[in-house]
Amino acid sequence: GDSVTQTEGQVALSEEDFLTIHCNYSASGYPALFWYVQYPGEGPQFLFRASRDKEKGSSRGFEATYDKGTTSFHLRKASVQESDSAVYYCALGDQGGRALIFGTGTTVSVSP
Amino acid sequence: DTTVKQNPRYKLARVGKPVNLICSQTMNHDTMYWYQKKPNQAPKLLLFYYDKILNREADTFEKFQSSRPNNSFCSLYIGSAGLEYSAMYLCASSPRQGSYAEQFFGPGTRLTVL
Repeated sequence: GDSVTQTEGQVALSEEDFLTIHCNYSASGYPALFWYVQYPGEGPQFLFRASRDKEKGSSRGFEATYDKGTTSFHLRKASVQESDSAVYYCALGDQGGRALIFGTGTTVSVSP
Repeated sequence: DTTVKQNPRYKLARVGKPVNLICSQTMNHDTMYWYQKKPNQAPKLLLFYYDKILNREADTFEKFQSSRPNNSFCSLYIGSAGLEYSAMYLCASSPRQGSYAEQFFGPGTRLTVL
């Protein structure tokens, strides 16, 4: 079945560091790929989505590019702030699917 | 208002007792979902409503019940809680069915079964 793999379970950074979270997926066809962010005490929030090869999604300084060749949708941000400390989920949705398939999440901690 | 509300935020239950969790949204969304989230695991879909039609996942079919008395409310019911039900339960809604659509999540209910 379809699946999403996030390699980093936890990432610790300092402010202004570059952030990369790796996301790889396994699915047939062209699934939609998502990033969600979950702040402490809140539910996951939609960050952005891409649904075509080479499409870039972006929001709040974060970006990711859909790459069908490498089946990846890595999240990047050039300069993180303490307020970016959160759990980040990569997710997949296929056209005939019932709901999102999530990765296990990456906890990002940014220290001032 | 893009808020999804969940009640209670924390629930303590005894093994063998029933549990009822509530979710509400005022965005007039057609679809409402329930996910289960355990530590170090991905959120897992339990069931969802599209309008009044309930869809349950095959592996959780007999473990969870749900009702949607109107468009705004959706409940998740566990008839007899076991220790394995301890988890965070996330409710979400979406303006349309299908996994291409953005979902709006509530803050979750943390259920602890003792």
